[in-house]
Amino acid sequence: GENVEQHPSTLSVQEGDSAVIKCTYSDSASNYFPWYKQELGKGPQLIIDIRSNVGEKKDQRIAVTLNKTAKHFSLHITETQPEDSAVYFCAASEDNYGQNFVFGPGTRLSVLP
Amino acid sequence: EAEVAQSPRYKITEKSQAVAFWCDPISGHATLYWYRQILGQGPELLVQFQDESVVDDSQLPKDRFSAERLKGVDSTLKIQPAELGDSAMYLCASSSPVLAGGHYEQYFGPGTRLTVT
Repeated sequence: GENVEQHPSTLSVQEGDSAVIKCTYSDSASNYFPWYKQELGKGPQLIIDIRSNVGEKKDQRIAVTLNKTAKHFSLHITETQPEDSAVYFCAASEDNYGQNFVFGPGTRLSVLP
Repeated sequence: EAEVAQSPRYKITEKSQAVAFWCDPISGHATLYWYRQILGQGPELLVQFQDESVVDDSQLPKDRFSAERLKGVDSTLKIQPAELGDSAMYLCASSSPVLAGGHYEQYFGPGTRLTVT
């Protein structure tokens, strides 16, 4: 089955700096890679996703890149703000069949003012 | 904006007791998922429904956990008897490929935090 690894487990950056979180997956059949942000006491919130037919996607300060050959994808947050502080999860799935997501273990991002 | 609703938000129960969680997905979402999230880890799927039918319950501990979605809308997840190791966040998510252009984007509810004492 699919296995998703995520690094780093914790990340501290100064406000205004960039943050990068990296994930690797094992199943070459996976073709959908969402990223979720989870604030304390809340459910995960979808912030951006990418499908295997594209290599990069950007939404304002957030971007995701995908390297299918190497089976890894990354989340990039630029101009970080204190409200970006949260736990971020990557996930992988074989989207065509609506299969469940396999989540990474999460990265706790702290943006220091 | 439509949201997935869950109740209760918090539940404290003693071991060996029964506990139930409720989820109301986003209107029109035919696919519903229950996940368990242990503190410090990512969510793990327990059960997936397509309408009223179970699609995947391979990770559901069937000796104590049960889930139903009788009318294909809201869903209930039950644990009986609860054990100390069941303390976790129970998350419900829903998706609709019809409404999302053929893709299964999952939207999560706020979760139920279960503490078993």
